[in-house]
Amino acid sequence: NAGVTQTPKFQVLKTGQSMTLQCAQDMNHEYMSWYRQDPGMGLRLIHYSVGAGITDQGEVPNGYNVSRSTTEDFPLRLLSAAPSQTSVYFCASGGPGPRGDTEAFFGQGTRLTVV
Amino acid sequence: AQSVTQLGSHVSVSEGALVLLRCNYSSSVPPYLFWYVQYPNQGLQLLLKYTTGATLVKGINGFEAEFKKSETSFHLTKPSAHMSDAAEYFCAVRNQGGKLIFGQGTELSVKP
Repeated sequence: NAGVTQTPKFQVLKTGQSMTLQCAQDMNHEYMSWYRQDPGMGLRLIHYSVGAGITDQGEVPNGYNVSRSTTEDFPLRLLSAAPSQTSVYFCASGGPGPRGDTEAFFGQGTRLTVV
Repeated sequence: AQSVTQLGSHVSVSEGALVLLRCNYSSSVPPYLFWYVQYPNQGLQLLLKYTTGATLVKGINGFEAEFKKSETSFHLTKPSAHMSDAAEYFCAVRNQGGKLIFGQGTELSVKP
């Protein structure tokens, strides 16, 4: 059972470089989301998608783009990396569903360092 | 707007002692509440969730939580801590059709 697969697991970027974090799920979930985790701040929502072709911003969207061309994939793009984007990034799949009571399933995370 | 507050960024208990991790939420509508656990260098794993019905919810690894609407709380407990419980714990809230909002996290240390 693959669940949610994120690649890469680790990445070092130079300031100004761009890259795409990949996320794929095999659970046929409509809802997917991206979070960043920073010490003492919990997980903060970057972008989310309620289905193919539909995306929306979370609480910290600046500097990131997303697209959702298929149900399975939800890549996160860093347009011009900055040191403030050094963080651990998590992709989640699942929920809220019609009632909101379904849980989210998380990938293993991508640890990104911007130098 | 929804929000979650976890009281105490770090909690330390002795092995065999009671674990109590506190979570308070704000929500304008009946919430759905979740506790997740994160072991070092891993993703988040669901411990338990409250949706509707019984307010005392049992989860994996002997953890449970009680939804108290009057106190807007959803505290996580375990009667007897084990060394393997050392991890970071996150409380999260979501309302119908809404986003999943996390608290700041509580790191649990277990002393032998």
